[in-house]
Amino acid sequence: KQEVTQIPAALSVPEGENLVLNCSFTDSAIYNLQWFRQDPGKGLTSLLLIQSSQREQTSGRLNASLDKSSGRSTLYIAASQPGDSATYLCAVRPGYQLTFGKGTKLSVIP
Amino acid sequence: DTAVSQTPKYLVTQMGNDKSIKCEQNLGHDTMYWYKQDSKKFLKIMFSYNNKELIINETVPNRFSPKSPDKAHLNLHINSLELGDSAVYFCASSQGDSHQETQYFGPGTRLLVL
Repeated sequence: KQEVTQIPAALSVPEGENLVLNCSFTDSAIYNLQWFRQDPGKGLTSLLLIQSSQREQTSGRLNASLDKSSGRSTLYIAASQPGDSATYLCAVRPGYQLTFGKGTKLSVIP
Repeated sequence: DTAVSQTPKYLVTQMGNDKSIKCEQNLGHDTMYWYKQDSKKFLKIMFSYNNKELIINETVPNRFSPKSPDKAHLNLHINSLELGDSAVYFCASSQGDSHQETQYFGPGTRLLVL
């Protein structure tokens, strides 16, 4: 059974800092891994999708890496801003569905 | 324009009632999904549906049933609501059912069963 773990559960950083969010999964047989952002009272916004054959994806200040063999992914956020405050969810796709972690709640302090 | 929309946004109801949550996507996608996010914040798949196949997570009680009047809609019907059904329900869609597709999520429906 696929399990996804995200560490830390919560993170508070001052504005401008670079930070890394971690995601690990127990079964490396995945098709892809996706990072989402969830804002309070709102839905999920897809940030980056990494196919199983890829090592990383970049979008603006965000960079996500994938090491499928070790079951790990990281989301790197450069020069954090207060608007980055949200819960970040990692999800892997072993089949038709997404299997999610519990998320990391990020607070960026002005 | 909202890509994936859900109504209602909030739903408060009594135990034993029957309720429906509507989902619409204007992305022209072929596949739609329902997820449940419980009080512990875990998001879990409930259903996956396209015009060919309905895939049901085996842990979902048969009180829950998806109904798709057309490709752009996948509504969730819940019969005999129970306290444990209180959660946030998210609808999502993707272009196809390929494992490479990105899923786009709606804003969620917050269901509270009293």
